[in-house]
Amino acid sequence: SQQGEEDPQALSIQEGENATMNCSYKTSINNLQWYRQNSGRGLVHLILIRSNEREKHSGRLRVTLDTSKKSSSLLITASRAADTASYFCATGSSNSGYALNFGKGTSLLVTP
Amino acid sequence: DAGITQSPRHKVTETGTPVTLRCHQTENHRYMYWYRQDPGHGLRLIHYSYGVKDTDKGEVSDGYSVSRSKTEDFLLTLESATSSQTSVYFCAISERGYTEAFFGQGTRLTVV
Repeated sequence: SQQGEEDPQALSIQEGENATMNCSYKTSINNLQWYRQNSGRGLVHLILIRSNEREKHSGRLRVTLDTSKKSSSLLITASRAADTASYFCATGSSNSGYALNFGKGTSLLVTP
Repeated sequence: DAGITQSPRHKVTETGTPVTLRCHQTENHRYMYWYRQDPGHGLRLIHYSYGVKDTDKGEVSDGYSVSRSKTEDFLLTLESATSSQTSVYFCAISERGYTEAFFGQGTRLTVV
């Protein structure tokens, strides 16, 4: 079954503001990843955080992972209109084979 | 961009007909995946492959079969298409299990 659950389902902010999305999952994981999907396109990998890491940065992205709460958050700082997309978390777990399990996604709208 | 191509990109087919979708990669990655994306469900795993002739079922495998006779090609077959299989299908590849995945552009399938 789907492992990750993103929150909120939809988020609308203005350019320059920060956007925070959360992901909760159910079982133990080896890593958690975040992907972006622009409308009508395939998913693009953003960042991977391993289960023994607590925080990771990549440009304007900051990801945190709390394995005790089985949750992760993605922070996009100083959002731009080009950040408008759907964002998905995906979990990798040796308990569930070799595939990633994706959540339902958060739809982010950044208005100028 | 990772060398991954899905064909066809769009297809309309009638209920009861067989349909085969193709995923072709030029990256020599060991793992290949088929997901379907539906509104309200996010991405759900159909089948995946961890090597030539090695495949396993995902969350929503009923009504689908797969084959992988060589590293670069992963075929998804709907033996007898139903309207519930109307969806956008994504192929993905990864070098190792549950690591960074690269997605194709998707195939929009409509079953009428």
